Formats: sequence, structure tokens, C-alpha cells
Amino acid sequence: DSGVTQTPKHLITATGQRVTLRCSPRSGDLSVYWYQQSLDQGLQFLIQYYNGEERAKGNILERFSAQQFPDLHSELNLSSLELGDSALYFCASSAKQILTDTQYFGPGTRLTVL
Amino acid sequence: SQQGEEDPQALSIQEGENATMNCSYKTSINNLQWYRQNSGRGLVHLILIRSNEREKHSGRLRVTLDTSKKSSSLLITASRAADTASYFCATALLSNQKVTFGTGTKLQVIP
Repeated sequence: DSGVTQTPKHLITATGQRVTLRCSPRSGDLSVYWYQQSLDQGLQFLIQYYNGEERAKGNILERFSAQQFPDLHSELNLSSLELGDSALYFCASSAKQILTDTQYFGPGTRLTVL
Repeated sequence: SQQGEEDPQALSIQEGENATMNCSYKTSINNLQWYRQNSGRGLVHLILIRSNEREKHSGRLRVTLDTSKKSSSLLITASRAADTASYFCATALLSNQKVTFGTGTKLQVIP
């Protein structure tokens, strides 16, 4: 158990819909990262937040947005969902703000868009 | 294409044998990390090797880094069925604040 929690575990929704994925980092960690893992794209870094502020951006679509709240939990919002958004979404956390720090991954949210 | 690419894509060995997987990358890095992922679950950090290190050990794991060849290898000795998982290398570049994961090696250890 990494100490990172993610909810929900599974999410099934329809195209065009909007969903919110939630992540709670390990106690004491200030950085939260979001990743998307699909069969054809592999593991893609989406975005990083550190202590409430956006720190780094990866391959995140404009339809996706994220935020980190004062209690350090983070939410990833996915809107206008398409079939291709079906994937595993992982959240990770680390103590420091630098991307090179060791990251601890949550169990993931499996999103299925029908 | 991916900064880190693992080879082989899949590996099947008998329990007790050693498993070696390789990672090649394209640009200079600050560090390289290896992660394990059990089917459909989150990644678990295994080991980090910095660009100025050549070899690192952790239990049954041995990681080497050759910056001149832009490659790293992960050796798992005396493999166990529980080592069955996908293994990813992740390269970190401070210059562009990016961590890139490779495509992974799927290891199957047969009891």
C-alpha cells in the first residue's frame, strides 16, 4: 500500500459526459501527479501540482483539467468524453516539487467510455 | 517516440532464473528510475540511479547505467513467481521538467 488513495476504482460513462477523479496523496507529500495509461499510448504524464499550484504540464488535453486543494487532495476533471479517453488514470505523489523525485502511485481509476 | 524504450517487450523465464531487461533513452538525463506494475494496478518504485552512478543494488535487484550508450539494465536475480509484472524505466529531465515512462517489459516467471 503506497498511501495514495484514488476514487472511484471504476467508472463507466457515455461519450460527451464529464467525470471527476479524486486523489489523496501520501501524508506529508506536497506534489501530486496525474498519468493516463492506455494500451496504445502507454503511460503518459498529464500534469503536476505542488502545494496547490500547477508545476508541470505534460500531454494533457484541453478537455481535461486538474486542481489541488488546500488539504492537498487533487481532482482530475475530464469533460466531453470520447471513446479514446478510456484508460487507467493514476495519481502519484511525492514529497518534493521536482519531477525527478520518487513518486508513489495510487491504485488507479479505470475509466470506460461507452 | 518514447524517451525510454524497454527491451525485450516480453520475457518468460522459469522460477530461479535471472531476468534482465534493458532501457534505452535518447537525451541526457538527471536520473533514471525503475518501476514495477502488477496487472492493472499502480506502479511501485523499485530503484533510482543518478546520472553520475554506474551501478546500484537493492535486494535481488541490480541496476546499471551507461550514460555513454544512453542505456540502463535491470537484473532480477533468482526470480520468483511473485516477480511476474511489467517493468518500466522512467527517465527524468530537469531541463524540461518532464518524466517519461518507457513502454515496459512484461515479465512472466513460471513456477
